[in-house]
Amino acid sequence: ELKVEQNPLFLSMQEEKNYTIYCNYSTTSDRLYWYRQDPGKSLESLFVLLSNGAVKQEGRLMASLDTKARLSTLHITAAVHDLSATYFCLLNTGNQFYFGTGTSLTVIP
Amino acid sequence: DAGVIQSPRHEVTEMGQEVTLRCKPISGHDYLFWYRQTMMRGLELLIYFNNNVPIDDSGMPEDRFSAKMPNASFSTLKIQPSEPRDSAVYFCASSQQGGSYEQYFGPGTRLTVT
Repeated sequence: ELKVEQNPLFLSMQEEKNYTIYCNYSTTSDRLYWYRQDPGKSLESLFVLLSNGAVKQEGRLMASLDTKARLSTLHITAAVHDLSATYFCLLNTGNQFYFGTGTSLTVIP
Repeated sequence: DAGVIQSPRHEVTEMGQEVTLRCKPISGHDYLFWYRQTMMRGLELLIYFNNNVPIDDSGMPEDRFSAKMPNASFSTLKIQPSEPRDSAVYFCASSQQGGSYEQYFGPGTRLTVT
């Protein structure tokens, strides 16, 4: 059974701290996406990672992909309150797409 | 561009009724996806189309669900008859082949079946 697991599921962190969200999957990947969802809202695209070793950065967020380890990470640098949201990874393998379980991030002043 | 458009935004219906959700993808996009989000099951892909042709419908829960894409600018997801367990937020997303394949999500339809 294919699994896409994120950890942690819940993350409470202080402003200005750094942290990493992990997305582990159990099969080969073609593409790996990261999305953000605010409560009651739709999903906002953050990053698309297309190949092994891909690294993308936007502001305080940086995503990477290691296809050999079947792992993607979303690193948060110097967190601010505006980053509080739920973050999802989305795995594309072949013709199929699977969302991770989501990580609910709360940044505390 | 207006982005992905979904209607209605909210739908409340009684068990046994037919429900039709609608989606207009971003112009020029050739992939269209239907997802469902619930607390219990998270986000799951129901079906997706490429150039109006269904590619993978393995996520469609059962025969009560059907989806169509009669042209490049319109898709429907129909539930008949609806059941309380179908209550969820249904998202439509579209993307363009080539480049990043980035999926753009619509605002979603919140369905409540009583």
